[in-house]
Amino acid sequence: DTGVSQDPRHKITKRGQNVTFRCDPISEHNRLYWYRQTLGQGPEFLTYFQNEAQLEKSRLLSDRFSAERPKGSFSTLEIQRTEQGDSAMYLCASSPRTSGEQFFGPGTRLTVL
Amino acid sequence: GIQVEQSPPDLILQEGANSTLRCNFSDSVNNLQWFHQNPWGQLINLFYIPSGTKQNGRLSATTVATERYSLLYISSSQTTDSGVYFCAVEPLNQAGTALIFGKGTTLSVSS
Repeated sequence: DTGVSQDPRHKITKRGQNVTFRCDPISEHNRLYWYRQTLGQGPEFLTYFQNEAQLEKSRLLSDRFSAERPKGSFSTLEIQRTEQGDSAMYLCASSPRTSGEQFFGPGTRLTVL
Repeated sequence: GIQVEQSPPDLILQEGANSTLRCNFSDSVNNLQWFHQNPWGQLINLFYIPSGTKQNGRLSATTVATERYSLLYISSSQTTDSGVYFCAVEPLNQAGTALIFGKGTTLSVSS
């Protein structure tokens, strides 16, 4: 049974560069979520898709962040003009139509120098 | 918004000891999940428990939704139980959306 996968697992970039992360949810899960986790804190919600529709965005999602789920399957999260404060673990989760239980991927650890 | 508080923040145990982790939440919830975050950052699902009691091996959990708390019990702890335990809730009337996480309990089990 394939779980949620994320790519890349680690990304180091220089301030001002753009980065893009990919998330592949569990097959047939119609809901997909992005969270961000900084050191010593619990994950914080960024955005949520049901199929291809982006239904909710957190105030944490500034205009430098954009997320897509074009065909209701995989999703991408892009950060433009990265800042040092963007350094964090970016987590993706998915849940099935029949339940609200969320399953998380291994995360992408972003370091902005 | 809803507040999620976990206690204790840190817990140090000898192998074989039992422990209880607590999660209090400030408002009604649709669902509650417990996770274990391993040293590589992976969140592992332990329980999906909006109410009642569940058991899985040495772990069990109880949620009393009317009193807005949940407990995670770990019996006969092992060094592999070390890591951060998170409680996360889905607020009522926001079904299928964001989980709100507590700050976690960091458990260290020594042999």
